[in-house]
Amino acid sequence: NAGVTQTPKFQVLKTGQSMTLQCAQDMNHNSMYWYRQDPGMGLRLIYYSASEGTTDKGEVPNGYNVSRLNKREFSLRLESAAPSQTSVYFCASSDDRGFAIYTEAFFGQGTRLTVV
Amino acid sequence: SQQGEEDPQALSIQEGENATMNCSYKTSINNLQWYRQNSGRGLVHLILIRSNEREKHSGRLRVTLDTSKKSSSLLITASRAADTASYFCATDRTTDSWGKLQFGAGTQVVVTP
Repeated sequence: NAGVTQTPKFQVLKTGQSMTLQCAQDMNHNSMYWYRQDPGMGLRLIYYSASEGTTDKGEVPNGYNVSRLNKREFSLRLESAAPSQTSVYFCASSDDRGFAIYTEAFFGQGTRLTVV
Repeated sequence: SQQGEEDPQALSIQEGENATMNCSYKTSINNLQWYRQNSGRGLVHLILIRSNEREKHSGRLRVTLDTSKKSSSLLITASRAADTASYFCATDRTTDSWGKLQFGAGTQVVVTP
């Protein structure tokens, strides 16, 4: 089982460049997430999608856009990269088995992004 | 601001010893989860405890939850070198849309042979 797959694994961007981080899950989950992880900060939620066609801002959405293309895929776009967006980005998904009964989240391996 | 805060930030123990780490949070929750992250890898779910549960076990892991104190603890018994990792607590808050997990900064555990 592939689980959650992120591409690319590593990326170096110049300030002002744009790029899209791709994420796909094969577990038929409704909920998908994008987090960023910075040293000493834990994971912070960027955007969240409860289902296909819906997205919601998380704690740190500025500078990012997302697209829930279908149930499997959830992409994160940086329109004009800034050095402050240097981070490790994680995509995750989870099942929802009923009202207030969310289960654990499954994470991808991460994308290490450096903006110079 | 982060919902969960782990304590201690770092923990160094020898194989065979128990490792205990704590998580405090600020607002009421639906559930609290613990994750492990090995260096350079993604997070792996360890255990989920719901707000109406007080204790849960999974193998060598024991998690407690005290909603009156807004705190949780993770105990790893008989630690092994392979337990070396960062451990994060994550909360699913009742004030948020369902499923928005909020993570703490983590506890870095080093287990030496």
